[in-house]
Amino acid sequence: QKEVEQDPGPLSVPEGAIVSLNCTYSNSAFQYFMWYRQYSRKGPELLMYTYSSGNKEDGRFTAQVDKSSKYISLFIRDSQPSDSATYLCAMSPGYSSASKIIFGSGTRLSIRP
Amino acid sequence: EAGVTQFPSHSVIEKGQTVTLRCDPISGHDNLYWYRRVMGKEIKFLLHFVKESKQDESGMPNNRFLAERTGGTYSTLKVQPAELEDSGVYFCASSPRGRTNSGNTIYFGEGSWLTVV
Repeated sequence: QKEVEQDPGPLSVPEGAIVSLNCTYSNSAFQYFMWYRQYSRKGPELLMYTYSSGNKEDGRFTAQVDKSSKYISLFIRDSQPSDSATYLCAMSPGYSSASKIIFGSGTRLSIRP
Repeated sequence: EAGVTQFPSHSVIEKGQTVTLRCDPISGHDNLYWYRRVMGKEIKFLLHFVKESKQDESGMPNNRFLAERTGGTYSTLKVQPAELEDSGVYFCASSPRGRTNSGNTIYFGEGSWLTVV
């Protein structure tokens, strides 16, 4: 069983829709949760991060962590064609080292104009 | 400010040949990481340099992979001899020393796409 499970998609929604991206994980030691966005033929770019449980909002993006269910989500409001990309969840036991980051496989998202 | 740059962006080599990938981190970043993503799999950690020292190389798959960071600036990752299963994209990333206000933010390059035929 993978430590982090993420639906690969692809997910296609119309412009303006609310998008929900999700990951589940099995390692209860994970404390630091990240979402990366990766455009085609580019490297991953950190979009948001949260530490432990709770919500975090940044503009149209909201990250949620439910440690009791080992479930994290990324919501995108008022989705735009420019949001079309692959979204990777990632998590680690803490800030300590990027060597401990475990990535999901990524969800391909397409926003239709 | 220039980001993390990687060279070559694409490489096609035959099984048994040698390939050397180069990474130039963001200027001033002490931490340099190599990751790779093979077909159908997740991005996986390979190793971590702090300046010129290998801090963690637990992700290196076998002794066909050799990473160096002479002088603590750019880094190279050599695969010798290459095998078919080495095909994938190799990402380099860097981060400044210590914890930043952005948490554990690391900055990725665009990757070097390797195809072994």
